[in-house]
Amino acid sequence: GQNIDQPTEMTATEGAIVQINCTYQTSGFNGLFWYQQHAGEAPTFLSYNVLDGLEEKGRFSSFLSRSKGYSYLLLKELQMKDSASYLCAGMDSNYQLIWGAGTKLIIKP
Amino acid sequence: GAVVSQHPSRVICKSGTSVKIECRSLDFQATTMFWYRQFPKQSLMLMATSNEGSKATYEQGVEKDKFLINHASLTLSTLTVTSAHPEDSSFYICSARHSDSHYGYTFGSGTRLTVV
Repeated sequence: GQNIDQPTEMTATEGAIVQINCTYQTSGFNGLFWYQQHAGEAPTFLSYNVLDGLEEKGRFSSFLSRSKGYSYLLLKELQMKDSASYLCAGMDSNYQLIWGAGTKLIIKP
Repeated sequence: GAVVSQHPSRVICKSGTSVKIECRSLDFQATTMFWYRQFPKQSLMLMATSNEGSKATYEQGVEKDKFLINHASLTLSTLTVTSAHPEDSSFYICSARHSDSHYGYTFGSGTRLTVV
């Protein structure tokens, strides 16, 4: 079956760095997405990885290892506004997104 | 680019009535629109996939007669919750896949439905 696993909740301090891990199993693979979702709002696109390696975009970076079925989202210089849920989603061979349950990130001053 | 407009953002309705939610792709053609439901503190649950000009494909456990989906044009898809009940209260979100899959899905802003 298809499955996405990520931690339920993480806590970090303002100004610090946090890494949110995600493991995936999909029928075929067409990429791994990370989305940010603030409470009561729709998800917003953060990153897309289809090749192994690290993609850096400002304070956010995303890493993919296809052989390990593993990805992580790295957030640097954390700000209070980064408090949100972070959703990992794998795209299968039919271009359908398989969603993880999301990781709630709590930022403390 | 790739904006999806969803209306209404919030709606409160009485039990037994119907509610229509609209999603429009503003600057691209969405041949496929996806409808999700999200309960508090849970992930997105795909309800159905609608394709322009054809019948929607519903996920297992989703009642097609209760959640009517119409995708009459390349820029508009609607979800109608018929005979709504309090247990239908949820956050409903539409999304469309941009032709360049690198951008993944573009989401509407969501509709918070409360049935009283």
